[in-house]
Amino acid sequence: AQTVTQSQPEMSVQEAETVTLSCTYDTSESDYYLFWYKQPPSRQMILVIRQEAYKQQNATENRFSVNFQKAAKSFSLKISDSQLGDAAMYFCAYRSAYGVGTASKLTFGTGTRLQVTL
Amino acid sequence: SQTIHQWPATLVQPVGSPLSLECTVEGTSNPNLYWYRQAAGRGLQLLFYSVGIGQISSEVPQNLSASRPQDRQFILSSKKLLLSDSGFYLCAWSSLDTQYFGPGTRLTVL
Repeated sequence: AQTVTQSQPEMSVQEAETVTLSCTYDTSESDYYLFWYKQPPSRQMILVIRQEAYKQQNATENRFSVNFQKAAKSFSLKISDSQLGDAAMYFCAYRSAYGVGTASKLTFGTGTRLQVTL
Repeated sequence: SQTIHQWPATLVQPVGSPLSLECTVEGTSNPNLYWYRQAAGRGLQLLFYSVGIGQISSEVPQNLSASRPQDRQFILSSKKLLLSDSGFYLCAWSSLDTQYFGPGTRLTVL
């Protein structure tokens, strides 16, 4: 079974600065998808960024980018020019590319709470 | 564009009472639908998955059941709630490999 580990329960960053959230995962599969979701106080899970394992190029979405290291099974999220609205819980998630039915589920890490200070 | 709705947003129920949470998706046809539960301070755990009307797969045996009476409607139910059913319930849809979540329902069982 796949596991996702987020070793930073809490992180803090000053407004306009850059912060990196860490995520590692364990899998025996060669093809899969990785995601970062943001959960603000409203608790709705919002997709931040998506990475396909067979693509070597790191995904970017505006101020958000990832550092995907497939051999190391590492998938970190970098937030540039941090804003107050970035304060939230951030979850790393894994999805098998081979999964059907309940195997298509997302496997989540335990999350990192990001605080943004003035 | 696609939107996903959940209701109610908040629910407080006594132990032993029934439960019905509803999820509907707009702007897409034949979506894959998921029910997840999030315990306090934890990640999400998959409860049910549906690929089509009347087709439900259960990930974890428990006090809950799910139904899909219409293409874009997914219902989570229980005949008798337990204290351990308290949590935050999220519905999600996907068309390919990415899942998109609804606003969630906060359930408190007293």
